[in-house]
Amino acid sequence: AQKVTQAQTEISVVEKEDVTLDCVYETRDTTYYLFWYKQPPSGELVFLIRRNSFDEQNEISGRYSWNFQKSTSSFNFTITASQVVDSAVYFCALSETTSGTYKYIFGTGTRLKVLA
Amino acid sequence: GAGVSQSPSNKVTEKGKDVELRCDPISGHTALYWYRQSLGQGLEFLIYFQGNSAPDKSGLPSDRFSAERTGGSVSTLTIQRTQQEDSAVYLCASSPRGPSSYNSPLHFGNGTRLTVT
Repeated sequence: AQKVTQAQTEISVVEKEDVTLDCVYETRDTTYYLFWYKQPPSGELVFLIRRNSFDEQNEISGRYSWNFQKSTSSFNFTITASQVVDSAVYFCALSETTSGTYKYIFGTGTRLKVLA
Repeated sequence: GAGVSQSPSNKVTEKGKDVELRCDPISGHTALYWYRQSLGQGLEFLIYFQGNSAPDKSGLPSDRFSAERTGGSVSTLTIQRTQQEDSAVYLCASSPRGPSSYNSPLHFGNGTRLTVT
């Protein structure tokens, strides 16, 4: 069965610290996609990144970077030099095709608090 | 429209009443999803539409919950005989679907906050 685990419920860091949010997934499919979303206090979920199962290259976008490792079924997200505006709940999600449907399974989220 | 639109943004209802929540997806998006987010919790999948049909209703919590989509566009989530445990934020998301948009990111609305008193 597909499952996404975000073991870190809440993380607090001081501004300018680096922080890594963990995501571990389970799937039987060989083709799948992984996502990260940000949910700021305003509530709207914002898409950050999508990665497919055939592309294990790490990605960097400004202060954000993602480390995808199929061997450990992990898709971790690092924020470098964190800022107060990074405070939000971050969700990892998995999308796969099972029986012709396209389900997106979300983890329970990690609440990040960046303190000034 | 520019984004996924949900209405109402807030709904307070008495236990036992029926409620309807509306979602207007991004124009041209054929896939539409409903999720529920309880206070401090993750996103719980409810139902998924491809066009007007619902290939996956596995997340609906009980037969008090139903959803429909007409014209491949607007969707309505109906909760009958509401209970206090139905209180949550109901999120709608849409995405394009087709050979060139396999597993596209979901675009979320701002949600409807439902409070059952």
